Amino acid sequence: DTAVSQTPKYLVTQMGNDKSIKCEQNLGHDTMYWYKQDSKKFLKIMFSYNNKELIINETVPNRFSPKSPDKAHLNLHINSLELGDSAVYFCASSQDLTQPQHFGDGTRLSIL
Amino acid sequence: AQSVTQPDIHITVSEGASLELRCNYSYGATPYLFWYVQSPGQGLQLLLKYFSGDTLVQGIKGFEAEFKRSQSSFNLRKPSVHWSDAAEYFCAVGSLTYGGSQGNLIFGKGTKLSVKP
Repeated sequence: DTAVSQTPKYLVTQMGNDKSIKCEQNLGHDTMYWYKQDSKKFLKIMFSYNNKELIINETVPNRFSPKSPDKAHLNLHINSLELGDSAVYFCASSQDLTQPQHFGDGTRLSIL
Repeated sequence: AQSVTQPDIHITVSEGASLELRCNYSYGATPYLFWYVQSPGQGLQLLLKYFSGDTLVQGIKGFEAEFKRSQSSFNLRKPSVHWSDAAEYFCAVGSLTYGGSQGNLIFGKGTKLSVKP
């Protein structure tokens, strides 16, 4: 019955590799998000996606790209991974901004 | 630009004592305000939200928060803390874009709450 689910929960890989994190929500929400939480617990928006409209945080490198096959999924692809990409990535969804966002449990990405 | 400040990085309280976590925001219009809690290794869980109306909002787990426009604050309170409340607490403001059709949350840097027996 998980509302927002992310896979994998842990991802350990080497610099230079390409990886993907999947996110699915079964809440029927229209908007999905990706956040990055750094080692100091600071959460920062990366993308929001609503009705095929993508809003990108300008500080996100173009190595990161979200892909939405349908309204219930927003996957995150990362190319040429760098050490600084190590963080916990959270997916979230909401009906709209006036409604609370529901978060997944996060994916801990570690770059060796 | 919108921003959220949580002045306290780490707070320790005794079990049974009262708690207040501070949050100040900077936002041009009436904000949408949220408090989330994150337990270790977990995602974020919504405690409460403020959109409009009564400035004192009640949330889950016995938490409440008061919106004070004059002080740009949205402080979180609990009258009696339980050991299970130990976690990281995040204040967030909803940031609208594209005329309010879409947006995202801007988070404070969090306050870690420790509870001593």
